Amino acid sequence: GENVEQHPSTLSVQEGDSAVIKCTYSDSASNYFPWYKQELGKGPQLIIDIRSNVGEKKDQRIAVTLNKTAKHFSLHITETQPEDSAVYFCAASMEYGNKLVFGAGTILRVKS
Amino acid sequence: KAGVTQTPRYLIKTRGQQVTLSCSPISGHRSVSWYQQTPGQGLQFLFEYFSETQRNKGNFPGRFSGRQFSNSRSEMNVSTLELGDSALYLCASSLGDRTNTGELFFGEGSRLTVL
Repeated sequence: GENVEQHPSTLSVQEGDSAVIKCTYSDSASNYFPWYKQELGKGPQLIIDIRSNVGEKKDQRIAVTLNKTAKHFSLHITETQPEDSAVYFCAASMEYGNKLVFGAGTILRVKS
Repeated sequence: KAGVTQTPRYLIKTRGQQVTLSCSPISGHRSVSWYQQTPGQGLQFLFEYFSETQRNKGNFPGRFSGRQFSNSRSEMNVSTLELGDSALYLCASSLGDRTNTGELFFGEGSRLTVL
């Protein structure tokens, strides 16, 4: 079955700097790649997603890139703010959001 | 618009007991998925229900089961609890049909502790 690896497991950046989190997936049939943010005591919340027919997607300070050939995708956060501190999960799916396979998560700390 | 509601939020059980968790999806959402979150295994898919039918299933033993009612509310049950079942159980809802954008809306979870 699908396997998603996520790096790094923790990431500390200074406020205003950029943060990059990378994920690789194993199953070339996966066609949907969301990123979720989980704050303490809350459930994960979708922040951005990308489908396999697109190479890059941007939403204000957040962008995701997808390289289907290499089977990896990345989350880019620019101009980080303290409220960006949270756990970020990448995921892959063959069914547009159903049966997501998640990465292990990245703890992002933004220091002010 | 109310979000996904999970009850109870916290519960403590002993080994061998069973537990039932409840999830009320966002109004109009017909798909409900369940995920188990633990520090060691991360977020793992349990199963998904759509229109009262199990549509997808993860790799969990038969002790884990679920169902969905006609109003889309869902319950999951874990029988013969083991210490390793201690986890945060997350429910997520979505439209689930061809109009589905892919986004899952998660509840805050039910934290189960097995002693």
